[in-house]
Amino acid sequence: GAVVSQHPSRVICKSGTSVKIECRSLDFQATTMFWYRQFPKQSLMLMATSNEGSKATYEQGVEKDKFLINHASLTLSTLTVTSAHPEDSSFYICSAIETGANTEAFFGQGTRLTVV
Amino acid sequence: AQSVSQHNHHVILSEAASLELGCNYSYGGTVNLFWYVQYPGQHLQLLLKYFSGDPLVKGIKGFEAEFIKSKFSFNLRKPSVQWSDTAEYFCAVQRGYQKVTFGIGTKLQVIP
Repeated sequence: GAVVSQHPSRVICKSGTSVKIECRSLDFQATTMFWYRQFPKQSLMLMATSNEGSKATYEQGVEKDKFLINHASLTLSTLTVTSAHPEDSSFYICSAIETGANTEAFFGQGTRLTVV
Repeated sequence: AQSVSQHNHHVILSEAASLELGCNYSYGGTVNLFWYVQYPGQHLQLLLKYFSGDPLVKGIKGFEAEFIKSKFSFNLRKPSVQWSDTAEYFCAVQRGYQKVTFGIGTKLQVIP
């Protein structure tokens, strides 16, 4: 199956700093990627839809200035958590849908962010 | 807005018992349906999916699910669970190429 790679898998940062998470589709092109957040013992909550070459669409309640999304190419989307705080500590997961294909979304392995 | 309901949040079974996890969704249009599994410490894996055709779909590891359109349901089943099936199971719904909405998840614990 198609592979989606996320990097890094784990990151620890200090409060106030910014962290960038990358999501790459390795063997297919993805016009659309999605960013999810998973709190402990909870389900995945969609944060935003990342569209190649245009602005991301954020879900209600998600601060777009805090969670910056860039989808500059058909194989890469990035999520930057700006001015991170401990409450931003979470598991972030991306997924990608192959352009023009009626298939399921493929998920990355996730990134565990810890803000200290 | 579409929503996905999973009725059982925590299920405990003995090995060889049969499993059925309920999933209902609220969207009335054409949808794609999925069940994902997340083993402890691992990322999401697709168990099975329904896009069209036979409403009874078979997935990996002996799992199957039945799409009942009139009930807006997509229940997951396995005739005989194993200890290795201990994991969290997520039902998910996708409309076209749009976002995938997940249910809250069901933790399955299989006792040897």
